[in-house]
Amino acid sequence: DGGITQSPKYLFRKEGQNVTLSCEQNLNHDAMYWYRQDPGQGLRLIYYSQIVNDFQKGDIAEGYSVSREKKESFPLTVTSAQKNPTAFYLCASRYGYGTEAFFGQGTRLTVV
Amino acid sequence: DAKTTQPPSMDCAEGRAANLPCNHSTISGNEYVYWYRQIHSQGPQYIIHGLKNNETNEMASLIITEDRKSSTLILPHATLRDTAVYYCIAAGGGSEKLVFGKGTKLTVNP
Repeated sequence: DGGITQSPKYLFRKEGQNVTLSCEQNLNHDAMYWYRQDPGQGLRLIYYSQIVNDFQKGDIAEGYSVSREKKESFPLTVTSAQKNPTAFYLCASRYGYGTEAFFGQGTRLTVV
Repeated sequence: DAKTTQPPSMDCAEGRAANLPCNHSTISGNEYVYWYRQIHSQGPQYIIHGLKNNETNEMASLIITEDRKSSTLILPHATLRDTAVYYCIAAGGGSEKLVFGKGTKLTVNP
């Protein structure tokens, strides 16, 4: 069953701890994306990757880091430098130019 | 990526057509127009996309003006389940970047 999987669905962390959110796709897509969504707001782009071993900052990359060592995986680390990490995080992937993106169901991160 | 402008909210009666506008006056020639929707607390769902020609699929129709500076998403017979936030994106132009705006919150009323 093809798709894009984010895990876990809910995640709780203590302030000051780094946390890594998982995003895996078996759609053979080249491009992958991470977005952040706050209550009542739209999606804001954190990082995106067009190909393995390459990624670019989005509009709100500060306090986040990513890696793209495998085509299927694009993990996002929320570091202690992110001042307001509590949010809904969405991962997406697509083949590339002119194609539609598919989204995971999101991870809701709460930092206490 | 070209910036898009959408009305913050719209209402539609159940069974009627919902016409959602999007302005993308700075769109470049190789940027596609994409539409997605997001139902509360879920990942966005792809609806339709197009470059120059009008497009139709089982969910909706996309009408792009001849100058490509604006487009309209049409849901032909809106149902209560179509209540969602609808996002219009203009993307392409040599970058894989996909930037979402604030979208239009469509409420379908019984």
